[in-house]
Amino acid sequence: GENVEQHPSTLSVQEGDSAVIKCTYSDSASNYFPWYKQELGKRPQLIIDIRSNVGEKKDQRIAVTLNKTAKHFSLHITETQPEDSAVYFCAASKVNAGKSTFGDGTTLTVKP
Amino acid sequence: EPEVTQTPSHQVTQMGQEVILRCVPISNHLYFYWYRQILGQKVEFLVSFYNNEISEKSEIFDDQFSVERPDGSNFTLKIRSTKLEDSAMYFCASSTDRGSNEKLFFGSGTQLSVL
Repeated sequence: GENVEQHPSTLSVQEGDSAVIKCTYSDSASNYFPWYKQELGKRPQLIIDIRSNVGEKKDQRIAVTLNKTAKHFSLHITETQPEDSAVYFCAASKVNAGKSTFGDGTTLTVKP
Repeated sequence: EPEVTQTPSHQVTQMGQEVILRCVPISNHLYFYWYRQILGQKVEFLVSFYNNEISEKSEIFDDQFSVERPDGSNFTLKIRSTKLEDSAMYFCASSTDRGSNEKLFFGSGTQLSVL
């Protein structure tokens, strides 16, 4: 089955700096890659997603890039703010499959 | 904005007891899911449900687990005989996209504690 690896497990940055979180997946048939943000004690919330027919997608300060050949995708957060502090999960799934496989999560801390 | 709602928010039970976790997905969504998250760990897929039947399930979802959509709004997860290792946060999720599990909307979760 699909295996998703996520790095780093923890990331600390200064406010205003950029943060990058990387994920690799094993199943070349996976074609949908969402990123979720989970604040302490809260539900995961989708922040951005990308399909395999696109190499990059941007939404204000966040962007996701996908390299299908290398089977990896990354989340980029620019101009980080303290409220960006949370656990971020990547996931991979296939169209017509019910299952999303999540990475282990990255705890991002943005220091003011 | 519509939300997935889950009840109860916390459930404490004795080992061997049955529990039912309840969810109300977003009303126009077609796909329903249960995930769980053990404290400090990743989110793990349990089961997906579409058109009144299970479409996929994980190894975790053994014979002790079952799901049901008893009416047009509720979606339930039953654990027949709980074990200590079932203690986790259980998230219900729903999505609307046909043929995929894109754009999951998660509920706020039920924290299950098995003693």
